[in-house]
Amino acid sequence: DTGVSQDPRHKITKRGQNVTFRCDPISEHNRLYWYRQTLGQGPEFLTYFQNEAQLEKSRLLSDRFSAERPKGSFSTLEIQRTEQGDSAMYLCASSPYAAGGKQFFGPGTRLTVL
Amino acid sequence: DQQVKQNSPSLSVQEGRISILNCDYTNSMFDYFLWYKKYPAEGPTFLISISSIKDKNEDGRFTVFLNKSAKHLSLHIVPSQPGDSAVYFCAASVSSGSARQLTFGSGTQLTVLP
Repeated sequence: DTGVSQDPRHKITKRGQNVTFRCDPISEHNRLYWYRQTLGQGPEFLTYFQNEAQLEKSRLLSDRFSAERPKGSFSTLEIQRTEQGDSAMYLCASSPYAAGGKQFFGPGTRLTVL
Repeated sequence: DQQVKQNSPSLSVQEGRISILNCDYTNSMFDYFLWYKKYPAEGPTFLISISSIKDKNEDGRFTVFLNKSAKHLSLHIVPSQPGDSAVYFCAASVSSGSARQLTFGSGTQLTVLP
Protein backbone atom coordinates (compact mmCIF):
# COMPACT_ATOMS: atom_id res chain seq x y z
CA ASP A 1 0.00 0.00 0.00
CA THR A 2 1.52 3.31 -1.06
CA GLY A 3 -0.96 5.68 0.57
CA VAL A 4 -0.29 8.24 3.28
CA SER A 5 0.32 6.64 6.66
CA GLN A 6 0.17 8.17 10.12
CA ASP A 7 1.37 6.91 13.46
CA PRO A 8 0.00 6.48 16.04
CA ARG A 9 -3.66 6.16 15.10
CA HIS A 10 -4.76 7.02 18.63
CA LYS A 11 -3.04 8.86 21.45
CA ILE A 12 -4.36 9.50 24.94
CA THR A 13 -2.31 11.82 27.10
CA LYS A 14 -2.62 13.90 30.22
CA ARG A 15 -2.77 17.65 30.13
CA GLY A 16 0.70 19.17 30.15
CA GLN A 17 2.43 16.27 28.44
CA ASN A 18 4.19 16.50 25.09
CA VAL A 19 3.11 14.37 22.14
CA THR A 20 4.60 13.71 18.71
CA PHE A 21 2.87 12.38 15.62
CA ARG A 22 4.45 11.03 12.47
CA CYS A 23 3.29 11.20 8.87
CA ASP A 24 4.72 9.27 5.94
CA PRO A 25 3.49 10.77 2.67
CA ILE A 26 3.21 9.07 -0.69
CA SER A 27 6.86 8.68 -1.69
CA GLU A 28 6.94 10.82 -4.84
CA HIS A 29 4.93 13.68 -3.31
CA ASN A 30 6.97 16.76 -2.44
CA ARG A 31 4.11 18.68 -0.77
CA LEU A 32 2.94 17.76 2.73
CA TYR A 33 0.14 19.32 4.75
CA TRP A 34 -1.11 19.02 8.33
CA TYR A 35 -4.75 19.65 9.21
CA ARG A 36 -6.76 19.44 12.41
CA GLN A 37 -10.35 18.29 12.58
CA THR A 38 -12.64 18.68 15.57
CA LEU A 39 -16.04 17.07 16.04
CA GLY A 40 -18.66 18.33 13.63
CA GLN A 41 -16.21 20.42 11.65
CA GLY A 42 -14.20 20.00 8.49
CA PRO A 43 -10.42 19.77 8.54
CA GLU A 44 -8.60 23.06 9.23
CA PHE A 45 -5.22 23.84 7.70
CA LEU A 46 -2.27 23.97 10.11
CA THR A 47 0.93 24.01 8.06
CA TYR A 48 2.50 23.15 4.70
CA PHE A 49 5.88 21.82 3.56
CA GLN A 50 7.38 21.79 0.11
CA ASN A 51 10.17 19.25 0.37
CA GLU A 52 11.91 20.08 3.68
CA ALA A 53 10.90 23.75 3.75
CA GLN A 54 7.97 24.81 5.92
CA LEU A 55 6.44 27.49 3.74
CA GLU A 56 3.18 28.32 5.41
CA LYS A 57 1.73 28.20 8.93
CA SER A 58 -1.82 28.90 10.05
CA ARG A 59 -2.55 31.21 12.96
CA LEU A 60 -4.08 28.07 14.53
CA LEU A 61 -0.53 26.79 14.97
CA SER A 62 0.37 28.26 18.36
CA ASP A 63 3.94 28.32 19.65
CA ARG A 64 3.26 25.01 21.43
CA PHE A 65 3.06 23.34 18.04
CA SER A 66 6.08 22.55 15.90
CA ALA A 67 6.36 20.59 12.69
CA GLU A 68 9.36 19.29 10.84
CA ARG A 69 10.14 17.48 7.64
CA PRO A 70 13.90 17.06 7.98
CA LYS A 71 14.74 15.19 4.79
CA GLY A 72 11.75 16.09 2.69
CA SER A 73 10.18 12.70 3.30
CA PHE A 74 8.32 11.94 6.55
CA SER A 75 7.09 14.71 8.82
CA THR A 76 6.51 15.04 12.57
CA LEU A 77 4.08 17.27 14.43
CA GLU A 78 4.85 17.92 18.09
CA ILE A 79 2.53 19.49 20.61
CA GLN A 80 4.12 20.67 23.82
CA ARG A 81 2.28 21.15 27.11
CA THR A 82 -0.94 19.72 25.72
CA GLU A 83 -4.26 21.29 26.67
CA GLN A 84 -7.74 19.77 26.57
CA GLY A 85 -8.55 22.01 23.62
CA ASP A 86 -5.90 20.18 21.60
CA SER A 87 -8.11 17.08 21.53
CA ALA A 88 -8.85 16.52 17.85
CA MET A 89 -8.08 14.39 14.82
CA TYR A 90 -4.76 15.40 13.25
CA LEU A 91 -4.68 14.68 9.53
CA CYS A 92 -1.72 14.62 7.21
CA ALA A 93 -2.03 14.98 3.44
CA SER A 94 0.39 14.96 0.55
CA SER A 95 0.34 15.95 -3.09
CA PRO A 96 2.69 16.04 -6.05
CA TYR A 97 3.74 19.40 -7.41
CA ALA A 98 1.34 19.59 -10.34
CA ALA A 99 -1.79 18.22 -8.70
CA GLY A 100 -3.86 21.38 -8.59
CA GLY A 101 -5.61 21.30 -5.27
CA LYS A 102 -5.98 17.52 -4.98
CA GLN A 103 -4.49 16.18 -1.78
CA PHE A 104 -4.29 12.61 -0.52
CA PHE A 105 -5.08 12.17 3.15
CA GLY A 106 -3.86 9.71 5.71
CA PRO A 107 -6.15 8.04 8.27
CA GLY A 108 -5.34 10.59 10.95
CA THR A 109 -4.17 10.49 14.57
CA ARG A 110 -6.92 10.86 17.15
CA LEU A 111 -5.57 12.81 20.16
CA THR A 112 -7.42 12.82 23.48
CA VAL A 113 -6.08 15.08 26.21
CA LEU A 114 -7.41 14.21 29.67
CA ASP B 1 -15.46 33.73 9.24
CA GLN B 2 -16.47 30.48 7.56
CA GLN B 3 -15.49 30.80 3.91
CA VAL B 4 -16.98 27.46 2.84
CA LYS B 5 -20.39 26.49 4.15
CA GLN B 6 -22.39 23.32 4.00
CA ASN B 7 -25.71 24.25 5.53
CA SER B 8 -27.22 20.77 5.62
CA PRO B 9 -25.60 18.62 8.30
CA SER B 10 -27.46 15.54 7.11
CA LEU B 11 -29.33 14.14 4.13
CA SER B 12 -31.25 10.88 3.69
CA VAL B 13 -32.01 9.47 0.26
CA GLN B 14 -33.58 6.27 -0.98
CA GLU B 15 -31.32 3.85 -2.86
CA GLY B 16 -31.45 4.45 -6.61
CA ARG B 17 -32.56 8.07 -6.27
CA ILE B 18 -30.46 11.20 -6.75
CA SER B 19 -28.46 12.69 -3.89
CA ILE B 20 -27.75 16.42 -4.11
CA LEU B 21 -25.26 17.94 -1.71
CA ASN B 22 -24.81 21.69 -1.62
CA CYS B 23 -21.98 24.03 -0.75
CA ASP B 24 -21.65 27.82 -0.68
CA TYR B 25 -18.48 29.90 -0.51
CA THR B 26 -17.70 33.53 0.12
CA ASN B 27 -14.12 33.98 -1.11
CA SER B 28 -14.18 34.96 -4.78
CA MET B 29 -10.46 34.13 -5.03
CA PHE B 30 -11.14 30.40 -4.79
CA ASP B 31 -10.32 28.84 -8.16
CA TYR B 32 -10.46 25.12 -7.49
CA PHE B 33 -13.15 23.14 -5.73
CA LEU B 34 -13.17 19.57 -4.51
CA TRP B 35 -15.46 17.05 -2.87
CA TYR B 36 -14.13 14.53 -0.40
CA LYS B 37 -15.88 11.55 1.13
CA LYS B 38 -15.08 10.36 4.64
CA TYR B 39 -15.94 7.08 6.30
CA PRO B 40 -15.59 6.70 10.10
CA ALA B 41 -12.02 6.08 11.29
CA GLU B 42 -10.60 6.93 7.86
CA GLY B 43 -9.13 10.06 6.34
CA PRO B 44 -11.01 12.00 3.68
CA THR B 45 -10.90 10.41 0.22
CA PHE B 46 -10.87 12.57 -2.90
CA LEU B 47 -14.03 12.20 -4.98
CA ILE B 48 -14.21 14.80 -7.71
CA SER B 49 -13.01 18.33 -8.43
CA ILE B 50 -13.75 21.28 -10.68
CA SER B 51 -11.74 24.27 -11.82
CA SER B 52 -13.36 27.70 -11.69
CA ILE B 53 -13.14 27.95 -15.48
CA LYS B 54 -15.70 25.16 -15.80
CA ASP B 55 -19.29 24.85 -14.68
CA LYS B 56 -19.63 21.08 -14.71
CA ASN B 57 -17.46 18.02 -14.26
CA GLU B 58 -18.67 14.46 -14.43
CA ASP B 59 -17.10 11.19 -13.29
CA GLY B 60 -19.31 8.15 -13.45
CA ARG B 61 -22.19 8.52 -11.00
CA PHE B 62 -20.77 11.78 -9.64
CA THR B 63 -21.26 15.23 -11.15
CA VAL B 64 -20.15 18.54 -9.67
CA PHE B 65 -21.81 21.78 -10.77
CA LEU B 66 -20.29 25.22 -10.16
CA ASN B 67 -22.26 28.47 -10.25
CA LYS B 68 -19.65 31.20 -9.84
CA SER B 69 -22.09 34.09 -9.86
CA ALA B 70 -23.97 32.52 -6.96
CA LYS B 71 -20.76 31.22 -5.32
CA HIS B 72 -22.43 27.85 -5.10
CA LEU B 73 -21.48 24.32 -5.99
CA SER B 74 -23.31 21.05 -5.74
CA LEU B 75 -22.52 17.36 -5.96
CA HIS B 76 -25.00 15.05 -7.63
CA ILE B 77 -24.85 11.30 -7.09
CA VAL B 78 -26.98 9.25 -9.45
CA PRO B 79 -28.03 6.59 -8.69
CA SER B 80 -27.32 6.63 -4.98
CA GLN B 81 -26.10 3.39 -3.41
CA PRO B 82 -25.93 2.31 0.25
CA GLY B 83 -22.12 2.33 0.01
CA ASP B 84 -22.29 6.06 -0.65
CA SER B 85 -23.34 6.61 2.96
CA ALA B 86 -20.57 8.77 4.41
CA VAL B 87 -19.74 12.35 5.37
CA TYR B 88 -19.14 14.53 2.32
CA PHE B 89 -16.91 17.57 2.58
CA CYS B 90 -16.77 20.42 0.14
CA ALA B 91 -13.35 22.11 -0.11
CA ALA B 92 -11.87 25.04 -1.98
CA SER B 93 -8.42 26.41 -2.68
CA VAL B 94 -6.63 29.46 -4.05
CA SER B 95 -3.63 29.19 -6.33
CA SER B 96 -1.54 31.85 -4.57
CA GLY B 97 2.10 30.96 -4.14
CA SER B 98 3.05 27.32 -4.08
CA ALA B 99 0.73 26.20 -1.31
CA ARG B 100 -2.76 25.10 -2.08
CA GLN B 101 -4.20 24.81 1.38
CA LEU B 102 -7.73 23.52 1.33
CA THR B 103 -10.57 25.30 3.12
CA PHE B 104 -13.26 22.80 4.08
CA GLY B 105 -16.93 23.05 4.86
CA SER B 106 -18.32 21.35 7.95
CA GLY B 107 -19.61 18.34 6.04
CA THR B 108 -22.92 16.67 5.21
CA GLN B 109 -23.74 13.20 6.48
CA LEU B 110 -25.36 11.31 3.61
CA THR B 111 -27.40 8.24 4.42
CA VAL B 112 -28.62 6.11 1.53
CA LEU B 113 -31.47 3.90 2.63
CA PRO B 114 -31.85 0.46 1.02
